[in-house]
Parts: sequence; structure tokens; C-alpha cells
Amino acid sequence: QIQLVQSGAEVKKPGASVKVSCKASGYTFITYGISWVRQAPGQGLEWMGWISVNNGNTNYAQKLQGRLTMSTDTSTSTAYMELRSLRSDDTAVYYCARAPPSPFVGTPFDYWGQGTLVTVSS
Amino acid sequence: QSVLTQPPSVSGAPGQRVTISCTGSSSNIGAGYDVHWYQHLPGTAPKLLIYGNTNRPSGVPDRFSGSKSGTSASLAITGLQADDEADYYCQSYDGSLSGPWVFGGGTKLTVL
Repeated sequence: QIQLVQSGAEVKKPGASVKVSCKASGYTFITYGISWVRQAPGQGLEWMGWISVNNGNTNYAQKLQGRLTMSTDTSTSTAYMELRSLRSDDTAVYYCARAPPSPFVGTPFDYWGQGTLVTVSS
Repeated sequence: QSVLTQPPSVSGAPGQRVTISCTGSSSNIGAGYDVHWYQHLPGTAPKLLIYGNTNRPSGVPDRFSGSKSGTSASLAITGLQADDEADYYCQSYDGSLSGPWVFGGGTKLTVL
């Protein structure tokens, strides 16, 4: 069965960086993209960015550009999300999701990871 | 402020029907892009409920249905059950700087 398994919870100080992993199984990793979505406490879902596993192309939400890097390792079917210069308002649950192979394909995010809580606190 | 607008909350008694609206604009739903719906229970992964405006993934009961018209879409839930209580989000593609993918602000469904 298709699964996305994320790394465990993190606690970081303001100004630090965090890198969350998302290991995929049950499908051909290279034929889809991966998106990352976060949910801050009491808030809704916020799309952060997308990466093509096939060619590494990325598309990041404008507000996170400059602090966000997404990458993949096809040898281990793992996607990574790194957020730098962390602030208190980055405290959230971060989800990876299987996404279309291109931003121009209108298919949904059909499988999701279990979420990773990132807490930013001094 | 989300690009797609949903009511913050809706409620209904067991067995009743409720609808959740999702209002967009000419850069997303009104441009013809598909709308997808997700169910999110706190502490769990969001679950795809409706894709391509009206389609249900395998395993989703036919009590859940979606529709789209103009710049809006709707999710209808009939025969409300206690375990339908969750947050519901719409999602679409957006051709402006907000995108390419955008979510609604989410709607909390309370089963009375």
C-alpha cells in the first residue's frame, strides 16, 4: 500500500533550521511530485511548495521563498523539506503529500504523511 | 485571508444534510480549474474526499458529494454521522502569485 512516513517531532530555537524527511513506499516515486503543507496551531492548511521528483524542479510559496528548500533522494524514495531562519510563527505540523508530477496537472494530493510537529521556541 | 473562502463552521444533527461552500475567483475556480476536498481530523493526516469537483476516491461513502459552478464549489454531506465531525478544506489551482495550489480556510463541521 502507498505510504508516506515522516520523521519525528523537532524543537528548534529561533534562527535555527529544520529538515524534515518523508519516505515514500508503494508506488514509483519518480512519477509523482511531492508537496509540503503546514498547519499552524488553530489555523488552516497552508501550501508551502512542490518538487518534481523526476527533474528536481521546484515551486515555492512566495512568502517562504529564500528560506525554504525542497529536495529528493530517489535512491531511498525520500523527500526533504528544509526551512531556515525559523521564527515562532513557523511552529506548525508539517505534512508531505503525493502531488502531481507537474503544477499544470490538476490532480489532487492523494496520499499524505502523518505529519511532523516543529516547535520553534527560545 | 485564504484565496478560497469557506464558512468557518457548519453544524447539523445526525441524519441531516449539510453543505460547505468554497468561493474563489477568476484566477482559480472561475478559470475552470478543478476543486478537491479534504477531510482533516485533528492529529491525523488529511484525507482526500472528493477530487476533480465531483469524484469520490475508492472507499469514500456516497454520502459525500461535490459540485462546482462558476467561481464556487460545494461539498454536500447527507445522512450525517458523528464521525463526520472534522475540518473540511477545499483546494484548487490558482494562476496568480498565490499559487499554484491554494486551500480554503477550512470549515469545522459539528454534528449536534
